Formats: sequence, structure tokens, C-alpha cells
Amino acid sequence: DTEVTQTPKHLVMGMTNKKSLKCEQHMGHRAMYWYKQKAKKPPELMFVYSYEKLSINESVPSRFSPECPNSSLLNLHLHALQPEDSALYLCASSQDRQGIETQYFGPGTRLLVL
Amino acid sequence: GDSVTQMEGPVTLSEEAFLTINCTYTATGYPSLFWYVQYPGEGLQLLLKATKADDKGSNKGFEATYRKETTSFHLEKGSVQVSDSAVYFCALRGAQKLVFGQGTRLTINP
Repeated sequence: DTEVTQTPKHLVMGMTNKKSLKCEQHMGHRAMYWYKQKAKKPPELMFVYSYEKLSINESVPSRFSPECPNSSLLNLHLHALQPEDSALYLCASSQDRQGIETQYFGPGTRLLVL
Repeated sequence: GDSVTQMEGPVTLSEEAFLTINCTYTATGYPSLFWYVQYPGEGLQLLLKATKADDKGSNKGFEATYRKETTSFHLEKGSVQVSDSAVYFCALRGAQKLVFGQGTRLTINP
């Protein structure tokens, strides 16, 4: 089973709202990732968690706040977003072995900020 | 730094045509290489991968061979179907993260 699940599938929020995106995997993977994908572009890495610790933050604005409560779960807390933050947000996971690890992606959350 | 260059799209073919999507890369050493596919409205699915030179990845009739001499990982399929219509991303495993190409949109007409 190589399934990564994400909820919700769609989200509409105002610029003053607070919302959270959730991601879950049960493959025993120890690395989890958040990506942002704009239309007709490749995914852009936002954050990497390795063994439940934040290992990479690609200079993401503080209105995005990641959280890894345990090895199977990854959250992305959203607050005071801007319309330009509207995008598809993808979660991925991998074994976290060096060099050859494969990342498996979830179906994404399509976010619209009004 | 590491980079991936993909064939510009969009690509439009008729059903049962032969498909090639070119991908070349620049990287230090010999990174693992991947093709991901994204169907409309969905996330990315791993299509195939190769972890060392001369490896051939294959899945669902698609193939790609890791060529270190030409730093390439071209995607091929002998006979495409309408259901293959999607965006295809070539990627390499860099230092702690994937480096993606820009993607190639493929449309197959019946």
C-alpha cells in the first residue's frame, strides 16, 4: 500500500480565517513533505519533516505553520492567507533513506483564498 | 545546482501513436531519476523510476532508461491511449529534495 491521504479535498477560506490541512500515511515512512503547486507549474517544496523534526523550511511565510504530531500525521496550519496563496497543496512521504528514496504523493487539497 | 529540463509541451497525439517525452538533467553524481504523472484534478503518481546508470524503469507500458552518457531519462510508450492524457513530470533526487522539470502536458485524441 503506497497511499497518502489528505483532507479536505477542497477548501475555501477568507483572508482572516484559520484553517488546517491534514495528511496521513501508514507506510512507516519517516519523512513527510508539504508542496505547493500553482496551475501549470511543477510542485514547489515548502517543508520537510524527518523523524518528526522539521529539517527543511524553504523560506515559507509564517502564515503557513507546519506540524508533525507523530510519524504518520502531518498538518499545515493556515492563518491570514493572501489570494496568491490559492493553489493545490500536496503532501508526500518517503522512507528517508539517503539517495534512492521515492516520494509518494497524496491527492492534494485545492485551496481558494478569497 | 541540480536541474531538470523537459520537452516543452503541450504534446498532442492520436491514439496508438508512439510517444517520446525528452528529459535531460544536470546534477552532481548519479541521482535517482523519476517520472511522475498528474491526471486532471489529482495529485502526482509515481510512474516509474531508475536508481543507477543503465537501469530501465517501466510501468503501464511506459519505459525510461537512465543514460549517464547523455544525462537523459526520456519517457517512451509504444502505443498511447486516451487515458494517458495527463501532465508528466521528470524529476531527480537532489540533496534532500526532488528537483522537477516544468512538466509536459500530453493530450491523446481518439
